[in-house]
Amino acid sequence: DAGVIQSPRHEVTEMGQEVTLRCKPISGHDYLFWYRQTMMRGLELLIYFNNNVPIDDSGMPEDRFSAKMPNASFSTLKIQPSEPRDSAVYFCASSLRLIRTDTQYFGPGTRLTVL
Amino acid sequence: GQQLNQSPQSMFIQEGEDVSMNCTSSSIFNTWLWYKQDPGEGPVLLIALYKAGELTSNGRLTAQFGITRKDSFLNISASIPSDVGIYFCAGQPPGGADGLTFGKGTHLIIQP
Repeated sequence: DAGVIQSPRHEVTEMGQEVTLRCKPISGHDYLFWYRQTMMRGLELLIYFNNNVPIDDSGMPEDRFSAKMPNASFSTLKIQPSEPRDSAVYFCASSLRLIRTDTQYFGPGTRLTVL
Repeated sequence: GQQLNQSPQSMFIQEGEDVSMNCTSSSIFNTWLWYKQDPGEGPVLLIALYKAGELTSNGRLTAQFGITRKDSFLNISASIPSDVGIYFCAGQPPGGADGLTFGKGTHLIIQP
């Protein structure tokens, strides 16, 4: 299995621009999570989906952030407009069954820099 | 929400030494997980614990789920250079509805 795939691996953009991060979960996994990692706050859960449906988006910082999962093999996290404080590493993870907390498998992350 | 206190924040040790790190919470967790993150990569699961009191090993790694369900520790025996990295504890509260809560990490540095 290829594991969780994220693109791009690095993104540098200017303040005010729209940024779209992409994730392909492991085939057959029914949960998908978006996390953000910063030095100050560590790893934070932003939103997660079950069977393509958003379950909990309480971790999304503000309305500038949105996430979609149009099908079982693809999800996007969009920031519009981006701000310098959004600079972080964004991880996507997937798992098979949340209730038993089967392991969450993480992608390699997208390092976002907003100038 | 729940917070996990992970300590120590960093460790400087000699190759061959044993390592111990722990994680505590003010509320109970149903599951404790330990991840390792290498530079430029995502966290990789090392050990998962699902039952209070459970002691689980994975090679030179041993982790335990505390009886109170509010803590967990990870031990690494006979450290080697490839053990360098950041170790995170993570937990899932009862109900399993909140995803994972992560500790701030323990940065392990090994001096040859």
